[in-house]
Amino acid sequence: GDSVTQMEGPVTLSEEAFLTINCTYTATGYPSLFWYVQYPGEGLQLLLKATKADDKGSNKGFEATYRKETTSFHLEKGSVQVSDSAVYFCALSDSSGGTSYGKLTFGQGTILTVHP
Amino acid sequence: SAVISQKPSRDICQRGTSLTIQCQVDSQVTMMFWYRQQPGQSLTLIATANQGSEATYESGFVIDKFPISRPNLTFSTLTVSNMSPEDSSIYLCSATQGTGNQPQHFGDGTRLSIL
Repeated sequence: GDSVTQMEGPVTLSEEAFLTINCTYTATGYPSLFWYVQYPGEGLQLLLKATKADDKGSNKGFEATYRKETTSFHLEKGSVQVSDSAVYFCALSDSSGGTSYGKLTFGQGTILTVHP
Repeated sequence: SAVISQKPSRDICQRGTSLTIQCQVDSQVTMMFWYRQQPGQSLTLIATANQGSEATYESGFVIDKFPISRPNLTFSTLTVSNMSPEDSSIYLCSATQGTGNQPQHFGDGTRLSIL
């Protein structure tokens, strides 16, 4: 079945540092890929998405590129802020029309802490 | 994007009781889902809530323990039945308005503690 693997956390950075959170996936269909963010005590918010190979999703300074050849969707931000401290989830959605159609498969989540 | 409201936002319940969680979407959506997030863990899909028919459950989840209703295109409920401390989790509702490449949008979750 489909699966998503994220880099081990937690990740601790100083403000204005460069961020990379690795995400790789395994899927039999043609997945769409997503990054979600969960702030303390809240639900999940969509951060960005990409629906086909070589698409780049971006939002709030975060970027991720859908790399089919390496089955990856790494999250990057050039300069993190204290307010970016949260848990980040990589996820895929099977778009191929099978029994898993529309369902999200999540990675294990990566805790990011940014210090001033 | 759809705005999703869940209630209650949190509850503390006694062992052996049941709790129903409500999920209201501000627009009609094609698919609604229920997830469980155990402490410090990722999300696990419980079931897909189907409008006008029985929910589709994932492996490890059964209707007797987690009955789900979806009477229309904007509302769903999840009941956690005969609760035990192992059911202490965050329960999240999500919805999507389109095809598999459309994102799911989430409510803020229900934080459930069982004593």
